Amino acid sequence: GDSVTQMEGPVTLSEEAFLTINCTYTATGYPSLFWYVQYPGEGLQLLLKATKADDKGSNKGFEATYRKETTSFHLEKGSVQVSDSAVYFCALSDPRGSNYKLTFGKGTLLTVNP
Amino acid sequence: SAVISQKPSRDICQRGTSLTIQCQVDSQVTMMFWYRQQPGQSLTLIATANQGSEATYESGFVIDKFPISRPNLTFSTLTVSNMSPEDSSIYLCSAGGRGWETQYFGPGTRLLVL
Repeated sequence: GDSVTQMEGPVTLSEEAFLTINCTYTATGYPSLFWYVQYPGEGLQLLLKATKADDKGSNKGFEATYRKETTSFHLEKGSVQVSDSAVYFCALSDPRGSNYKLTFGKGTLLTVNP
Repeated sequence: SAVISQKPSRDICQRGTSLTIQCQVDSQVTMMFWYRQQPGQSLTLIATANQGSEATYESGFVIDKFPISRPNLTFSTLTVSNMSPEDSSIYLCSAGGRGWETQYFGPGTRLLVL
């Protein structure tokens, strides 16, 4: 079945540091890929998405590129802020399916110190 | 996108009792989903709720323990029955399905069972 493997944390960075959170996937088809963010005490918010190979999703300074050849969707940000401290989840869904399910990675806790 | 609300936001319950969580979406949606997120963990799908049909439960979850209602296209409830301390979790609902780019999540219900 489909699966998502993401870098386990926690990740601790200083403000303005460069961030990479690795995410790789296994899927039988051509899934859509997502990054969700969960701020402390809140639900999940969609951060960015990509629906086909070589697409780049971007939002709030975060970027991720859909790499079919390496089955990856790594999250990057050039300069993190304290307000980026949160848990980040990589996820996929198979657009061919009729159940519209999301498969999540285990999540990566990011802490950004001033 | 969609705005999704959940009630209650948190609760403390005694073992053996039941709690019903409500989920309201600000627009009509074909599919609603219920997840459990145990402390420090990723999301586990409990069931998918379609309007007008029985919910579809994932492996390890049963209707007697987690009955779900879906009376219309904007509302769903999840009941956690005969609770034990192991049911202490965050319960999240989401909305999605045909015509939606992905699932959108509510803020979650934080449940503590004593």
